[in-house]
Amino acid sequence: DTAVSQTPKYLVTQMGNDKSIKCEQNLGHDTMYWYKQDSKKFLKIMFSYNNKELIINETVPNRFSPKSPDKAHLNLHINSLELGDSAVYFCASSQAIWNYEQYFGPGTRLTVT
Amino acid sequence: DAKTTQPPSMDCAEGRAANLPCNHSTISGNEYVYWYRQIHSQGPQYIIHGLKNNETNEMASLIITEDRKSSTLILPHATLRDTAVYYCIVRAPAGAGSYQLTFGKGTKLSVIP
Repeated sequence: DTAVSQTPKYLVTQMGNDKSIKCEQNLGHDTMYWYKQDSKKFLKIMFSYNNKELIINETVPNRFSPKSPDKAHLNLHINSLELGDSAVYFCASSQAIWNYEQYFGPGTRLTVT
Repeated sequence: DAKTTQPPSMDCAEGRAANLPCNHSTISGNEYVYWYRQIHSQGPQYIIHGLKNNETNEMASLIITEDRKSSTLILPHATLRDTAVYYCIVRAPAGAGSYQLTFGKGTKLSVIP
């Protein structure tokens, strides 16, 4: 039973394309996150949703659009992909917005060529 | 959130205790110390957190100095699977629009056979 799952695990695409990454958690948590880890291994928060509502929206280009159809899912859609978007994207969840015990997915490695 | 300082890397012999230090000299009274780790090519994993008392769980022990300016994560019997980057994060309780964890560079722990 995977607590936080992401699909796909690997994504290779060309510049200018639009792609989506899906995330699902079966922990019954209220809060979900998207993080980006770049080539230098820095892990940065991008978005946070609490009960399907956007809570955190860090300085991220508006080409990135998260969507939460329900509490168990948080998808990330990226328009007009650029070379600099190449990174590993992690989804995470926590019981509540104030709970920093977060559970991370396995990551999606996005490569833009 | 208070800044943390960790050594960039450490080695530990397999079977011995791994003691990972973290300096957080500017920590405020309501800030917690969290530890996460990231094994290569995986998502970060929550380990433990504490406020001022020492904490222990099935993974590790957290020792926080009395003045709370530093802490040590202890893995009592390190195994090769404990090789990872360990992150020390200081975080105040959520509120006032601030809800995220900020990951630094961490300490790369190498457990040696």
